[in-house]
Amino acid sequence: EPEVTQTPSHQVTQMGQEVILRCVPISNHLYFYWYRQILGQKVEFLVSFYNNEISEKSEIFDDQFSVERPDGSNFTLKIRSTKLEDSAMYFCASRVAAQSTDTQYFGPGTRLTVL
Amino acid sequence: AQKVTQAQTEISVVEKEDVTLDCVYETRDTTYYLFWYKQPPSGELVFLIRRNSFDEQNEISGRYSWNFQKSTSSFNFTITASQVVDSAVYFCALRPSNTGKLIFGQGTTLQVKP
Repeated sequence: EPEVTQTPSHQVTQMGQEVILRCVPISNHLYFYWYRQILGQKVEFLVSFYNNEISEKSEIFDDQFSVERPDGSNFTLKIRSTKLEDSAMYFCASRVAAQSTDTQYFGPGTRLTVL
Repeated sequence: AQKVTQAQTEISVVEKEDVTLDCVYETRDTTYYLFWYKQPPSGELVFLIRRNSFDEQNEISGRYSWNFQKSTSSFNFTITASQVVDSAVYFCALRPSNTGKLIFGQGTTLQVKP
């Protein structure tokens, strides 16, 4: 069964460093998402991406964040200068465009630890 | 405002008990989608069910059942004869029709003791 994959599973970085989190969505999916979950809290939407551009973003997704689909398979989230409060689990998700199969499938997550 | 409330923070049951997880949502949209996801201790988010606002039929899948009531804006989830493997955090989520994003509730931590 196709699934969303994410790498790395755990990333440790120093405050102020840049990190890139990688995702490979399900191959026939057209909508891509990033969410984050601070430890013990709910899952929060960051950004959605369709047709090679951002379609929606939350207040959390400020200028420190960017997303890119550099090729036909990868979908990346970049944090330019990490802060302590960026420590969280980051989930990538994808879905097919068709409304009848409107389910977002999530990857296993990347745990980001900022020291 | 679009919002999902899961009032139960933690529930603890003994194996084989039935348990219901509550979910109440707020939206002004007439078309929307509701979801339940399971987050086991390993951390991934596992899709359980999607329900469209225009389909109020309840659904049963094995030991799992879902009760969708538009009149009370609730989408409750019942596990029958719970098992230790059901121990996880369960999230209810709302997707309004004009957006692709999911709005999650705070989650309910279910602990099933042997």
